[in-house]
Amino acid sequence: RKEVEQDPGPFNVPEGATVAFNCTYSNSASQSFFWYRQDCRKEPKLLMSVYSSGNEDGRFTAQLNRASQYISLLIRDSKLSDSATYLCVPDTGRRALTFGSGTRLQVQP
Amino acid sequence: DAEITQSPRHKITETGRQVTLACHQTWNHNNMFWYRQDLGHGLRLIHYSYGVHDTNKGEVSDGYSVSRSNTEDLPLTLESAASSQTSVYFCASSDNQVSYNEQFFGPGTRLTVL
Repeated sequence: RKEVEQDPGPFNVPEGATVAFNCTYSNSASQSFFWYRQDCRKEPKLLMSVYSSGNEDGRFTAQLNRASQYISLLIRDSKLSDSATYLCVPDTGRRALTFGSGTRLQVQP
Repeated sequence: DAEITQSPRHKITETGRQVTLACHQTWNHNNMFWYRQDLGHGLRLIHYSYGVHDTNKGEVSDGYSVSRSNTEDLPLTLESAASSQTSVYFCASSDNQVSYNEQFFGPGTRLTVL
């Protein structure tokens, strides 16, 4: 089983919609998680950190389900500018991170 | 402002040639990383370093090497370029003191091996 698995998408949603996608992880010891955002042909950038059961930052909510070993990212009121690939990263205690392959979101006008 | 830069941004080379991609960061971060990104594979770790003179192999290290002679630089060398190494290469750094999970990425180098 891969360390991190994500649905590649694309998730095509209209502006204003709410969209959620999941990331499953295999290492049950992971205590915290991170979502990175990557715009097309650009470098990834940290979007959110999740250190407990969840985190909310404006329109973005990340939730952690330890029993089922997945983390979700919910985006409310989608904007065109949210179109990007979202990469899931579990904290395994190593400084070298393992990135999921990402979920592509396309918000349409 | 502190930053991380990569050069060149684009490179075309021929099979069998040695290629070196530069990565330079001015944050004074201890940790530096090289990834390659291909369609369908996401970011894959090539090599990484936790400090000067420290280097470690990642999951796809064959055909690549790195050296860390100072804090700021981690050049990536392709010993004998192969077409399978055509990819986008990202360098990243992180700081032990603050949060090693936040990695700062360079803008990437697009390498084509003909």
